[in-house]
Amino acid sequence: DGGITQSPKYLFRKEGQNVTLSCEQNLNHDAMYWYRQDPGQGLRLIYYSQIVNDFQKGDIAEGYSVSREKKESFPLTVTSAQKNPTAFYLCASSMSGSGNTIYFGEGSWLTVV
Amino acid sequence: DQQVKQNSPSLSVQEGRISILNCDYTNSMFDYFLWYKKYPAEGPTFLISISSIKDKNEDGRFTVFLNKSAKHLSLHIVPSQPGDSAVYFCAASASGGYNKLIFGAGTRLAVHP
Repeated sequence: DGGITQSPKYLFRKEGQNVTLSCEQNLNHDAMYWYRQDPGQGLRLIYYSQIVNDFQKGDIAEGYSVSREKKESFPLTVTSAQKNPTAFYLCASSMSGSGNTIYFGEGSWLTVV
Repeated sequence: DQQVKQNSPSLSVQEGRISILNCDYTNSMFDYFLWYKKYPAEGPTFLISISSIKDKNEDGRFTVFLNKSAKHLSLHIVPSQPGDSAVYFCAASASGGYNKLIFGAGTRLAVHP
């Protein structure tokens, strides 16, 4: 069954802790993305990767880090430096290059307690 | 600076009637536009897209219209069904470089009997 798998679905973090959100895709897509959604707002790009071992900052990268060691995987770490980490996080992938449809995973809810 | 705007936060439509969701953009470099549908706590699902070389694209009950001179696009759903009740996001990208989508804030559609 092809798609994008995010885990965990729900995650609680204490202030000062780093947490890592997993994202795996079996669509053979070169490009992968992390977006964040806050209530009443559109999706904002955190990081993207067009190819293995390469990634770039998006519009709101501060307090986040990523790695792209495998084509299928693009984990996101939310560090303690992220001031407002509570949000809905969405991983996505697409064929590389502009004009290609981006497909999303089911999302992960992160709550800081 | 919002490059993609969905000025109606919500829309209520009777089942069987037409739903029209609107989206405006400011960046004349955008040449690819997409609509996504999103249910609560789920990832967005791709609905339909349109390239700037077209002014209309149709897929079943969904039609997207693009007016480049007005920098405006709209999504028509005919006939509307209760299962269409969701948040709809408009997104746009420009060719060249990586596949960066800019999202609007979304419009919540409620289809009632």
